[in-house]
Amino acid sequence: AAGVIQSPRHLIKEKRETATLKCYPIPRHDTVYWYQQGPGQDPQFLISFYEKMQSDKGSIPDRFSAQQFSDYHSELNMSSLELGDSALYFCASLDRGKNTEAFFGQGTRLTVV
Amino acid sequence: AQSVAQPEDQVKVAEGNPLTVKCTYSVSGNPYLFWYVQYPNRGLQFLLKYITGDNLVKGSYGFEAEFNKSQTSFHLKKPSALVSDSALYFCAVRDLYSGNTPLVFGKGTRLSVIA
Repeated sequence: AAGVIQSPRHLIKEKRETATLKCYPIPRHDTVYWYQQGPGQDPQFLISFYEKMQSDKGSIPDRFSAQQFSDYHSELNMSSLELGDSALYFCASLDRGKNTEAFFGQGTRLTVV
Repeated sequence: AQSVAQPEDQVKVAEGNPLTVKCTYSVSGNPYLFWYVQYPNRGLQFLLKYITGDNLVKGSYGFEAEFNKSQTSFHLKKPSALVSDSALYFCAVRDLYSGNTPLVFGKGTRLSVIA
């Protein structure tokens, strides 16, 4: 069965650079979440989309933005990167109509140097 | 707002012994509860969930969890632990009927099963 696909798997950027993370949810899933997991920490909710519209916002810095496109894939754009942005970024999708569990991608490990 | 507490940062058990990983939750409406497992440098894998019905839910890899409404708990259990169960376990909750609320995670419990 198709899973949530995230790209790239690993990314190294310098301070003040920008990064774009991509997420391809499971087909026909209507909801996408983005989470940030720092070293040794629990996943922190950043932002979510329902049917391509932003539906909820968590602890997402103003330097970050996200959107969901007509094909349901989502992108997390991160600008003016800081060392503290180094983390594992997860995307998850679910079918809200069927109240499924959230299915997570393998994550993108971002390292800011 | 919802929240999850996992009171133990780490749990150690001997292989073959029963294990319990504790979780308590707070949610304003009806809870939709989950357990996820995370292996090093990997994504979160779904283990089991509780929506309604039987308070004891069974999941993957022999894990089960018991929902206790009065104690607002959802402890993860396994009758006989395996070394391969060693991983980071996250409890999560969202409000079942409150729109598209995000999943809120506990801080995680590291399970170590010793041979």
